[in-house]
Amino acid sequence: QQQVKQSPQSLIVQKGGISIINCAYENTAFDYFPWYQQFPGKGPALLIAIRPDVSEKKEGRFTISFNKSAKQFSLHIMDSQPGDSATYFCAGPFGNEKLTFGTGTRLTIIP
Amino acid sequence: DSGVTQTPKHLITATGQRVTLRCSPRSGDLSVYWYQQSLDQGLQFLIQYYNGEERAKGNILERFSAQQFPDLHSELNLSSLELGDSALYFCASSVAGDNNQPQHFGDGTRLSIL
Repeated sequence: QQQVKQSPQSLIVQKGGISIINCAYENTAFDYFPWYQQFPGKGPALLIAIRPDVSEKKEGRFTISFNKSAKQFSLHIMDSQPGDSATYFCAGPFGNEKLTFGTGTRLTIIP
Repeated sequence: DSGVTQTPKHLITATGQRVTLRCSPRSGDLSVYWYQQSLDQGLQFLIQYYNGEERAKGNILERFSAQQFPDLHSELNLSSLELGDSALYFCASSVAGDNNQPQHFGDGTRLSIL
């Protein structure tokens, strides 16, 4: 079964700092890597996604970086704010397979 | 608001019982996905329907079944419930059936088995 290994499991960052969450995958077949953000009591919401034809995508304070040779992709949150405190999931379809989610990272931004 | 509606929000029942969870996808979305989220397992894909037909199957138990109706709403049926079935169940929808499309999630049904 396709594995998506997400780290860290939890992360505490000071307000204004940079939050970095990493995901590693095994399969070489992919065409779409989304990141989802989930607040307590809510369903996951698509935050940002990248396709393999680019190595980086930025949307506001959120950036996805993709390292094909290392089979890793990362989410960077610049100028982290208390409102960013949530659980973040990476995911990947890996070709024809179902969307596989990482185990999640609980991010806490402290003042 | 994702546009995906799930009912009920909470469900409390006993072991051995049967329940039905309902999902209305976003307007225009043809594909519906069901996921189970528990503390130790994360988000697990259960099953996908596209325009009324089963498209993909994940880690869905034989005690569970689903269907998508002509109006595109979907139901997830859970039977012979066990304590371990207590979890959040999410429905998501997307425009097409491919896995490289954004999925929009509802706010889930919290199922508690006593």
